[in-house]
Amino acid sequence: DIQMTQSPSSLSASVGDRVTITCRASQGISNSLAWFQQKPGKAPKSLIYAASSLQSGVPSRFSGSGSGTDFTLTISSLQPEDFATYYCQQYNDYPPTFGQGTKLEIK
Amino acid sequence: EVQLVQSGAEVKKPGESLKISCKGSGYTFTSYWIGWVRQMPGKGLEWMGIIYPHDSDTTYSPSFQGQVTISADKSISTAYLQWSSLKASDTAMYYCAKAAPGTGGFFFDYWGQGTLVTVSS
Repeated sequence: DIQMTQSPSSLSASVGDRVTITCRASQGISNSLAWFQQKPGKAPKSLIYAASSLQSGVPSRFSGSGSGTDFTLTISSLQPEDFATYYCQQYNDYPPTFGQGTKLEIK
Repeated sequence: EVQLVQSGAEVKKPGESLKISCKGSGYTFTSYWIGWVRQMPGKGLEWMGIIYPHDSDTTYSPSFQGQVTISADKSISTAYLQWSSLKASDTAMYYCAKAAPGTGGFFFDYWGQGTLVTVSS
């Protein structure tokens, strides 16, 4: 299985900050990388697919980049509703695998 | 609007059987893979498997092969996840999700609200 490693595992930031989360795949996955946001007690929500394509309805402050093994999710200006756990997922190879998550907390 | 509505929380004893459901609406149910994701308490997301409702073609993650059964009834736009003999380690939240086109069923763009399964003696 392809291992997906996110860093950091947790992050404290303030409203208005620019935040970057990194995801590394154990082998190349082209651009078959998605990012999800999960708030406590809620289902995951798709934010980005194909490494950099924004899901419909997702605010433009979210952006993704990368290809191959290294990917990033950037939130340009944190809003109160962005505090959540973020997961990356590769869907290039079977079985699809998720990163362990990055918990974004209010500083 | 795409919606996936899952059945309610379940409390079961070890060894019991269970079937949970997920009803899709707002899209052509038979044209997209639909699958299941497990989230154990306080843990991350695990892709379990998928089904193509048009012909019931099914693919399981090796971790879940033989442990669960995924099925679908296209006449009522509903997918199912079932266990024949539950274990305490099956305690988790289970999400159904619709796969995006062109991803082989591996990327889910819309998710249900989740079904909490608790297995305890």
